[in-house]
Amino acid sequence: DVKVTQSSRYLVKRTGEKVFLECVQDMDHENMFWYRQDPGLGLRLIYFSYDVKMKEKGDIPEGYSVSREKKERFSLILESASTNQTSMYLCASSLGGHQPQHFGDGTRLSIL
Amino acid sequence: AQKITQTQPGMFVQEKEAVTLDCTYDTSDPSYGLFWYKQPSSGEMIFLIYQGSYDQQNATEGRYSLNFQKARKSANLVISASQLGDSAMYFCAMRENSGYSTLTFGKGTMLLVSP
Repeated sequence: DVKVTQSSRYLVKRTGEKVFLECVQDMDHENMFWYRQDPGLGLRLIYFSYDVKMKEKGDIPEGYSVSREKKERFSLILESASTNQTSMYLCASSLGGHQPQHFGDGTRLSIL
Repeated sequence: AQKITQTQPGMFVQEKEAVTLDCTYDTSDPSYGLFWYKQPSSGEMIFLIYQGSYDQQNATEGRYSLNFQKARKSANLVISASQLGDSAMYFCAMRENSGYSTLTFGKGTMLLVSP
């Protein structure tokens, strides 16, 4: 079974802090994704990566950056956290093509 | 325009009944894929079923089936014999072949199954 692990289920940070959300997958997938999920808005793609050190902006990249130094690990970085980044963050990985994306359990991030 | 539309914010069904969750999509790409995911209150996204645009038959996975009507651009999820554990948010998503393997999600439908 594919395992996608997000480092924290719940996280509370203060405005202005630099926040790191970590995601690790164990299936050697090329593609990894970061989404945020807000009530009534569904899942929105922040950034994705199709290979080590490669990244592409999704639909809502503002205020975020990512890092993929190793194939199994994809990090989401909030450079200077703001209250409007309070959300559920979901990481996913996939082989691509018609293969489904496999998701981690999510991180509920609160910015105070 | 929204690429994935789920018009039902919430649905109620009694245990053991069948339920259909609607999904319409918009794409000009001739090759695409449609996915359904389930998200229980615990938060994890669970992949349920996949339908490719060139698949001749409707996809089925256990109690889940996909009513794929290509001309209408609809891909409705049918859950037969609902169970209490089916209570969750359900998301329809589309992958278009013209780009990377990214998915566009609908806003979801909350399904509540009552005894």
